[in-house]
Amino acid sequence: DAGVIQSPRHEVTEMGQEVTLRCKPISGHNSLFWYRQTMMRGLELLIYFNNNVPIDDSGMPEDRFSAKMPNASFSTLKIQPSEPRDSAVYFCASSLRDRGLGNSPLHFGNGTRLTVT
Amino acid sequence: GDSVTQMEGPVTLSEEAFLTINCTYTATGYPSLFWYVQYPGEGLQLLLKATKADDKGSNKGFEATYRKETTSFHLEKGSVQVSDSAVYFCALSAFSGNQFYFGTGTSLTVIP
Repeated sequence: DAGVIQSPRHEVTEMGQEVTLRCKPISGHNSLFWYRQTMMRGLELLIYFNNNVPIDDSGMPEDRFSAKMPNASFSTLKIQPSEPRDSAVYFCASSLRDRGLGNSPLHFGNGTRLTVT
Repeated sequence: GDSVTQMEGPVTLSEEAFLTINCTYTATGYPSLFWYVQYPGEGLQLLLKATKADDKGSNKGFEATYRKETTSFHLEKGSVQVSDSAVYFCALSAFSGNQFYFGTGTSLTVIP
């Protein structure tokens, strides 16, 4: 089990640039979550997918943020244009959700630390 | 709506001290409960879980019991080590939903 794989681990970019974060969930998992973590706001859910379909994107802060899941093994989170206040650690997590049962844990990647200058 | 409230930190303990981190929850139905641990520079890792009332989750010397009557899931360890220094998150997953609810995290520092 390779775990959830995120890339890059670190990203430094200038304000106004486009940023793309990538995630490969655990094979066989059917739900994928994107979180953002900052000291001020803690852990925030941005969006989650079930069977590659976005279910709840109410946590996406603005239209500058978008997420896609073109297949079961890959997802991206894009910020365009980026701003300094987007600086945070972005986590991807996956889970196996079976017939709506809630007892499967989330498995997190090691995150992407984004710095926007 | 569903939510989790956990004890504010930071917590500083001496090695071999007893640890309790309180967690209470609000939920409809029968949620599953989790404790996650986050070491510096890493993602959250599942520490233990319990899926029904009176279940006790345990791992690496940590324990937590799912108490429906008090809607609590307190994390305990009898003798902490320096290597236990991390941030601990209590979390809830609703029985029939995809949503997870996390507490704000409690930072633990164990000093030799």
